Amino acid sequence: ETGVTQSPTHLIKTRGQQVTLRCSSQSGHNTVSWYQQALGQGPQFIFQYYREEENGRGNFPPRFSGLQFPNYSSELNVNALELDDSALYLCASSLKTGNAQKTQYFGPGTRLLVL
Amino acid sequence: DQQVKQNSPSLSVQEGRISILNCDYTNSMFDYFLWYKKYPAEGPTFLISISSIKDKNEDGRFTVFLNKSAKHLSLHIVPSQPGDSAVYFCAASALNYGQNFVFGPGTRLSVLP
Repeated sequence: ETGVTQSPTHLIKTRGQQVTLRCSSQSGHNTVSWYQQALGQGPQFIFQYYREEENGRGNFPPRFSGLQFPNYSSELNVNALELDDSALYLCASSLKTGNAQKTQYFGPGTRLLVL
Repeated sequence: DQQVKQNSPSLSVQEGRISILNCDYTNSMFDYFLWYKKYPAEGPTFLISISSIKDKNEDGRFTVFLNKSAKHLSLHIVPSQPGDSAVYFCAASALNYGQNFVFGPGTRLSVLP
């Protein structure tokens, strides 16, 4: 067990709605990354937060946004949900020192279904 | 444009034999590589990593080999056990450039009793 927790475990929304997913990072870690994993694919990087600021972003539109809090927990917000947003959303925490980061440890994920 | 490729979607191996999972990458800036294992309804679990200054790293039954000139790495599991049945993801990162991890599409390993 990694110590990374995510909530909720499952969620059903309708197209056009907004959703907030939450993640608590592993103790001692200062960086949180979010990934989207569609069925049959590997995790795709959405963005990373380090010291409460966005520190890198993948190829996702601005309706995907996030926050990191002083205790290093994090939120992923998705506005104007589309059917293709249905996926497993994974949070991973890691320790970044300087510009280098090592292994990322994943939470169990939140499965989002958009109808 | 997939920077990390796992060309075998699935692999079946007999219990006790060796499992070899392969991964190829295209970005020469990648210098840190990891393997994750994922069971259904769980997040990926870290298995083993290797930096580009090494060509082999071993941890118990798991060994990762890196061939930088071929931009290829492989994960060997010896001996394979039924509990190893899972989806295995290869991931790569340009560690000192602060870039995030790029994952391959995964290989589903089935270890048959």
